[in-house]
Amino acid sequence: QLHLQESGPGLVKPSETLSLMCTVSGDSVTSTRYFWGWIRQAPGRGLEWIGTIRYNGNTYYSPSLNSRVTISLDTSRTHFSLRLSSLTAADTAVYYCARFGVQTNSANYPDYWGQGTLVTVSS
Amino acid sequence: AIQMTQSPSSLSASVGDRVTITCRASQDIGNNLGWYQQKPGKVPNLLIYAASSLQSGVPSRFSGSGSGTDFTLTISSLQPEDFATYYCLQDYNFIWTFGQGTKVEIK
Repeated sequence: QLHLQESGPGLVKPSETLSLMCTVSGDSVTSTRYFWGWIRQAPGRGLEWIGTIRYNGNTYYSPSLNSRVTISLDTSRTHFSLRLSSLTAADTAVYYCARFGVQTNSANYPDYWGQGTLVTVSS
Repeated sequence: AIQMTQSPSSLSASVGDRVTITCRASQDIGNNLGWYQQKPGKVPNLLIYAASSLQSGVPSRFSGSGSGTDFTLTISSLQPEDFATYYCLQDYNFIWTFGQGTKVEIK
């Protein structure tokens, strides 16, 4: 059974860099054909795609966050990570990691999600 | 980047009603569209992918249609467990965009 779990700080200061890790059990982030990614949701707001990484390490980022985001796979094959720099209060959100496991010839859709971790940006 | 305009932002409906939610893409995305349901405090759940394909385990009262720029999610007979917020998600050239969401409330 696939399980994803986010981990990282719940509180970060403005201008600092957020580092989150998603631990995957029941699958390998490098040996499958899936994409893996991060999605966030500000309190009371909608869902926002942050970025996605392919099993081969290719990355794709939201144009609005591209300059501040880095997603990477761990060579242990059991987790992938998110770094988001130059934080402001607007980055306060629940951050979800997800497997984009439903695939068609031209699209990939998240099917398994972690439970999410609330990150608050405040001094 | 492709923009997704979802409407309405909220609606009130009764159990048994037929409910329709629409998503419009700012450019042609083929059928690269999915629909998600999210209940308060819960993780989003995939209902429909490729515009009209029902995800495994999802009740058949949910259906999707459309292609190109205009898409629809229909709930044929609203059930009590369907009161939630619904989001569309497009994937075009490895850039994903969510719609703003539609909150379905009890009338």
